[in-house]
Amino acid sequence: AIQVTQSPSSLSASVGDRVTITCRASQGIRTDLAWYQQKPGKAPKLLISDAVTIQGGVSSRFSGSGSGTDFTLIISSLQPEDFATYYCLQDHIFPWTFGQGTKVEVK
Amino acid sequence: QVQLQESGPGLVKPSETLSLTCSVSGGSINSDYWSWIRQPPGKGPELIGYIQESGRANYNPSLKSRVSMSVDTSQNHFSLRLTSVTASDTAVYYCAVYDGHNLDPWGQGTQVIVSS
Repeated sequence: AIQVTQSPSSLSASVGDRVTITCRASQGIRTDLAWYQQKPGKAPKLLISDAVTIQGGVSSRFSGSGSGTDFTLIISSLQPEDFATYYCLQDHIFPWTFGQGTKVEVK
Repeated sequence: QVQLQESGPGLVKPSETLSLTCSVSGGSINSDYWSWIRQPPGKGPELIGYIQESGRANYNPSLKSRVSMSVDTSQNHFSLRLTSVTASDTAVYYCAVYDGHNLDPWGQGTQVIVSS
């Protein structure tokens, strides 16, 4: 299975900060990568698909980039509702695999 | 948009079989990939597998020997069976739909604890 390594596993940030989360796939996956946000007790929410396509209703402060093996999620100006755990998911090859998650905490 | 809802026992004894159902509303089970994902406490999600309308299924090799899925288009639901469970199968179990592009939407999830 394709391994997806996400970093960092956690970070502390303040409202207004720019936050960067990365995922690295163990082999090339073109742009077959999605980003999810998960809050406690809730299902993951799809933010970005195909590495760069932001979903309807998702704030434009979220952006994604990358292709091949290296991908980035950027939150341009962190807002209070953005404190959550973020996961990437590769759906290039079955079994689709998730990163280990990045918990964004209040500094 | 289609909505998904998991149901099933919240407590399963070790060595027994976990059975869950995902009810689909706001749309019909079609040729998409009707999926099961689980998330152990404090860990990231793990794909269990998917089943299609035709009954064709594909399971994560890590669970393949213990997993089976079925689909009932007349009832608009699909199901998961996981045999010989142990404590490591304790998790929140989610159903979701993959349209070839996005694994979305997801159900709200159901907690399953394996304990005697």
